[in-house]
Amino acid sequence: NAGVTQTPKFQVLKTGQSMTLQCAQDMNHNSMYWYRQDPGMGLRLIYYSASEGTTDKGEVPNGYNVSRLNKREFSLRLESAAPSQTSVYFCASSSAGNQPQHFGDGTRLSIL
Amino acid sequence: QKEVEQNSGPLSVPEGAIASLNCTYSDRGSQSFFWYRQYSGKSPELIMSIYSNGDKEDGRFTAQLNKASQYVSLLIRDSQPSDSATYLCAVSYSGAGSYQLTFGKGTKLSVIP
Repeated sequence: NAGVTQTPKFQVLKTGQSMTLQCAQDMNHNSMYWYRQDPGMGLRLIYYSASEGTTDKGEVPNGYNVSRLNKREFSLRLESAAPSQTSVYFCASSSAGNQPQHFGDGTRLSIL
Repeated sequence: QKEVEQNSGPLSVPEGAIASLNCTYSDRGSQSFFWYRQYSGKSPELIMSIYSNGDKEDGRFTAQLNKASQYVSLLIRDSQPSDSATYLCAVSYSGAGSYQLTFGKGTKLSVIP
């Protein structure tokens, strides 16, 4: 069982570059989420998709965009990367919003 | 602003002892509560879910929920060095017509052999 798969696992960018983080789940979950985790800040919600075809902003959406491509896939895009976006990014999914979330292995992103 | 508060620790306990991790939350309407374990450099892993007042046991883990006091706790019996990790409390809340989870910042647990 793959669960939630994130790619890439590591990435180094220069300021101003763009990139897309990919996430796919094989649990037939309706809801998907993107978080960032920084030391001392805990997990902060960037964007979420409660169901296929919908996306909503979370706590820290500035500088990011998302696409719910289909029920399985939810991507996160950085249009113009900034050093403040250096972080570990986690994708998660759940059957519904009040159910437990299952996390991918994360993407470690450094922006120079 | 929905808040979930945890003592950041570190909490140090000797091997074989009971570790007690606590969490308070601000939203009285919250219905679902979760404990995650996160090893350093790894992703959060779900270890317990609890939805109603009282205790829920799973192996060496017991989750306790008191909605009146807005308090949820995790007890780890017979603590092992492999339990050394950061434990995240997560609470569901309703907003913008859907549910999300709010995570605490985590309590770091060290089990001393």
